[in-house]
Amino acid sequence: SQQGEEDPQALSIQEGENATMNCSYKTSINNLQWYRQNSGRGLVHLILIRSNEREKHSGRLRVTLDTSKKSSSLLITASRAADTASYFCATQEETSGSRLTFGEGTQLTVNP
Amino acid sequence: EPEVTQTPSHQVTQMGQEVILRCVPISNHLYFYWYRQILGQKVEFLVSFYNNEISEKSEIFDDQFSVERPDGSNFTLKIRSTKLEDSAMYFCASLQDHGNTIYFGEGSWLTVV
Repeated sequence: SQQGEEDPQALSIQEGENATMNCSYKTSINNLQWYRQNSGRGLVHLILIRSNEREKHSGRLRVTLDTSKKSSSLLITASRAADTASYFCATQEETSGSRLTFGEGTQLTVNP
Repeated sequence: EPEVTQTPSHQVTQMGQEVILRCVPISNHLYFYWYRQILGQKVEFLVSFYNNEISEKSEIFDDQFSVERPDGSNFTLKIRSTKLEDSAMYFCASLQDHGNTIYFGEGSWLTVV
């Protein structure tokens, strides 16, 4: 498997429900970043969590990082139809300079 | 909020032609990148650029590709002799300093026919 794998690959929920997406990675990292991509559009940065942090919040977003398990989760609370998008985690590895390595992404669909 | 801008948003080119994709990174950023995303696939790193030279490149970034920062603001990706498999969304990104957020542009869709 590859660095930065998300699961599930696809998630369909109703408006108002919470959405949880998970990301696993294989190497030691400096930080992990989550991005959103609407269909055919650019990558919008959501949140950055550093390797020495365990949890961060931004509005309706909550990100956790477990470096012992090499995993991260993104929780979107009280989801809205406008949250429908693909969500990617991307890691900045300790041995790979400043570049990001992206996962496969989770396609989130929020039904009104 | 400052943003990375890319042009063109979409380009269709004949196989074998040369293409130049342009980017204006965020003004006080020091690190610049190109990534690509083939339709339906994940985002792949191509190259990073710092202090007027390539700092890192992937195996995708072969002799067909080159990057340039011709002046203080633009950052370009040139693809020589395009192939059908070069069809993808190409993203430019920039970073102010290590450990911070990398910001991406809206992308340039390249279709090679």
